[in-house]
Amino acid sequence: QQQVKQSPQSLIVQKGGISIINCAYENTAFDYFPWYQQFPGKGPALLIAIRPDVSEKKEGRFTISFNKSAKQFSLHIMDSQPGDSATYFCAASLTGTASKLTFGTGTRLQVTL
Amino acid sequence: EAQVTQNPRYLITVTGKKLTVTCSQNMNHEYMSWYRQDPGLGLRQIYYSMNVEVTDKGDVPEGYKVSRKEKRNFPLILESPSPNQTSLYFCASSLSYTEQYFGPGTRLTVT
Repeated sequence: QQQVKQSPQSLIVQKGGISIINCAYENTAFDYFPWYQQFPGKGPALLIAIRPDVSEKKEGRFTISFNKSAKQFSLHIMDSQPGDSATYFCAASLTGTASKLTFGTGTRLQVTL
Repeated sequence: EAQVTQNPRYLITVTGKKLTVTCSQNMNHEYMSWYRQDPGLGLRQIYYSMNVEVTDKGDVPEGYKVSRKEKRNFPLILESPSPNQTSLYFCASSLSYTEQYFGPGTRLTVT
C-alpha cells in the first residue's frame, strides 16, 4: 500500500523556470513532511521540511506548500538551475516514531539550459 | 567530519551466499535505519533501530536481519541472498524523527 504518492515521475524544466513536484498522503496522523534531494551516486539529503501547523515554508528558492484538508503537499523550485538536476523524494512520518519515514517514489528533475 | 559510512560500496554475489553490509555513524545518533532503493518504488525501509539492542521491522524486512550491539554500528545481514534483493541499499542515522543522514549507498547484485 503506497501511503505517499508522488508525481510526476520525471520532469524537465528550462533554466529559470519553476519546478513543481506533488505528493499526496493517506494517513492523517502524519505530522512531519520532509523533502530529500539525491544526486547521482550519492545518498539522499534533507532539503526542506514542514509540519502541518503551517501552510507554507520557504528556504531560498525552495518552497513547500501544504494543504492539510486535501492531504497534499508540494515542492516548488523557483528559478530552477542546472545544479538542481537531481531526484527528489517527498516523505512523511508520525511524531514519536523515530526513523519511520515513508517515502514517495521519487521525481527525477532535469533542468536544461 | 560527521558522516555515515557503508561498506562495501559495490558487491556482486551469488544466490545463497551469506553477506553483511556494514554501516557506521560518528554522530552519536540513537536512531539508525536501512533502506533499499529500487526504480519506480522509491526508498523503502527495511529495518530501523531506536537504540542499542532495540530494533524493529520496517516495510520490507523479509530476507534481512540486523543487529545493534553498539550505538555507532548497524550492520545489515542477508543470510541467503536471492536475485530479488538486487538493489541499492542506504543506511541512515538521526537524533530523532527529524533529519536523517544517509550513507553513500551500497549497490548489491545477486546472481
